[in-house]
Amino acid sequence: ETGVTQSPTHLIKTRGQQVTLRCSSQSGHNTVSWYQQALGQGPQFIFQYYREEENGRGNFPPRFSGLQFPNYSSELNVNALELDDSALYLCASSRGGATNTGELFFGEGSRLTVL
Amino acid sequence: QQQVKQSPQSLIVQKGGISIINCAYENTAFDYFPWYQQFPGKGPALLIAIRPDVSEKKEGRFTISFNKSAKQFSLHIMDSQPGDSATYFCAAHTGKLIFGQGTTLQVKP
Repeated sequence: ETGVTQSPTHLIKTRGQQVTLRCSSQSGHNTVSWYQQALGQGPQFIFQYYREEENGRGNFPPRFSGLQFPNYSSELNVNALELDDSALYLCASSRGGATNTGELFFGEGSRLTVL
Repeated sequence: QQQVKQSPQSLIVQKGGISIINCAYENTAFDYFPWYQQFPGKGPALLIAIRPDVSEKKEGRFTISFNKSAKQFSLHIMDSQPGDSATYFCAAHTGKLIFGQGTTLQVKP
């Protein structure tokens, strides 16, 4: 059973640029969630995808968007980057729908630095 | 109402001692309460979790105590080891996870 994998692990962007982060979910999981973790803080929920549809969103602006693909992998896109977007972006996979237990399994994250 | 409040912010324990981290919540709709362990540069790893119909759950040296009426739950690490030094997050689930602010634990040899 493969775990959650994220890419890239580190990246540096400048203000105003756009970034795409990628996540492969754990085998057998059909739900992907994205979290933002600022330095010294707990992860904050961005949004969740279940069967390719967004089915929950946190308090993040529309320039944060995502996709889920038929193989349940996912992308997080952030447009018009701001300095405060510098953070560790975490992807978590889980079983959704009727089999949802609440258990989330996280990847190692993508560390984004915005200059 | 969606917040999970965690304390203490940091904790120093001697090897062999007991580490205790506390969390409090307001939303009675939360249906699952996990604890995550995070090492520097790594993602959070699920450590142990409890559902609100259970008052205590033990897995090895880790125990969750859950007080539904007080809306509080805590993590106890027995016989703490230097390898337990990490940041611990409590969380509460209602369709998504709401995390506490984290507790940095240092276990001194």
